[in-house]
Amino acid sequence: DGGITQSPKYLFRKEGQNVTLSCEQNLNHDAMYWYRQDPGQGLRLIYYSQIVNDFQKGDIAEGYSVSREKKESFPLTVTSAQKNPTAFYLCASTTTGLGQPQHFGDGTRLSIL
Amino acid sequence: DQQVKQNSPSLSVQEGRISILNCDYTNSMFDYFLWYKKYPAEGPTFLISISSIKDKNEDGRFTVFLNKSAKHLSLHIVPSQPGDSAVYFCAASTTSGTYKYIFGTGTRLKVLA
Repeated sequence: DGGITQSPKYLFRKEGQNVTLSCEQNLNHDAMYWYRQDPGQGLRLIYYSQIVNDFQKGDIAEGYSVSREKKESFPLTVTSAQKNPTAFYLCASTTTGLGQPQHFGDGTRLSIL
Repeated sequence: DQQVKQNSPSLSVQEGRISILNCDYTNSMFDYFLWYKKYPAEGPTFLISISSIKDKNEDGRFTVFLNKSAKHLSLHIVPSQPGDSAVYFCAASTTSGTYKYIFGTGTRLKVLA
């Protein structure tokens, strides 16, 4: 079955630590995305990548970093510079043809200890 | 600056009746619109989309209407079922240039049995 896998489902971080969220897709999609969901604020775009070895900042990129070394993988690192990292993080992918919907993973909930 | 707005945070509807969820946008460059359904602790799932060259798209119980002059779209669910209870997000994108999707803040639909 093709899909997007995010791991882990739940993640805890101590203050001052970096943490990396995994996102893998086997849909052969070119574009991948990271969103953050907070209560009442919908989905806000952190970073996106349209092709391997290239990515762009979204609306709330400060305190986050990404890499896109393989088409299938788009890991997100939440750095210690992110002051309010507790949130639900969603990864998505899509083909780059006209009018294509995004497919989402089931998310990772990050909490600060 | 919120380019996609869902002004109703919640909506309750009786089972069997029509549910109407609304979405407004400000960017006239958007030409592709989508609706997603989301359950708690899961990723959004794609429901239905519409291109700006159409004013209506129907898929089973779900119909999306687009009014370009008013920059408004709506999702109609008929008849509403208890399983439709979820948060619904509208999203907008352009089909040229970057494959970037802008999401609204969501409307929580509760279908009462």
